[in-house]
Amino acid sequence: EAQVTQNPRYLITVTGKKLTVTCSQNMNHEYMSWYRQDPGLGLRQIYYSMNVEVTDKGDVPEGYKVSRKEKRNFPLILESPSPNQTSLYFCASRDATTMKETQYFGPGTRLLVL
Amino acid sequence: DQQVKQNSPSLSVQEGRISILNCDYTNSMFDYFLWYKKYPAEGPTFLISISSIKDKNEDGRFTVFLNKSAKHLSLHIVPSQPGDSAVYFCAARPSGSARQLTFGSGTQLTVLP
Repeated sequence: EAQVTQNPRYLITVTGKKLTVTCSQNMNHEYMSWYRQDPGLGLRQIYYSMNVEVTDKGDVPEGYKVSRKEKRNFPLILESPSPNQTSLYFCASRDATTMKETQYFGPGTRLLVL
Repeated sequence: DQQVKQNSPSLSVQEGRISILNCDYTNSMFDYFLWYKKYPAEGPTFLISISSIKDKNEDGRFTVFLNKSAKHLSLHIVPSQPGDSAVYFCAARPSGSARQLTFGSGTQLTVLP
């Protein structure tokens, strides 16, 4: 089954404690992205990657890091989380070889930073 | 500054009637538009899209209309069903960009039985 998986699904942490949210896709997609969803703001892109070792900032990259060492994985790293990073996070992937813009989203990770 | 705006946070309609969800954009470089549907505790799923060379695209009960001069698009659902109750996001992408999509803030649609 084609899918994007994220782990963990729920996470409660404290300010300053480094954390990583993993994302993996099994569709051999080139493009992968991270978004955060906040009330009244919709989905905002944090970082995106066009392929292995190619990443770039989205609209709200501050406080986040990413890496793309393998095509299937795109982890999101919060080196020193702060309460304003409490949010719902989605990973997404897309095939770069098709004209279709359809993105496939993971189920989401709900993060609470105390 | 939000480049894609969904000004109605919520909409309620009766089962069997038409649902019309609206979206406005400000970036004239956007040339591809999509609607995503999101149920609670799930990621968004693709619903329907339209290229700027068209003004209408239809898929079953779902039709998207694009008015480029007004920078406005709308999603029509006819007839509406209770299973359509979800948050609907409008999204857009500029021409020639490798970046991913810019999303609106979403509209919660509730279809009443």
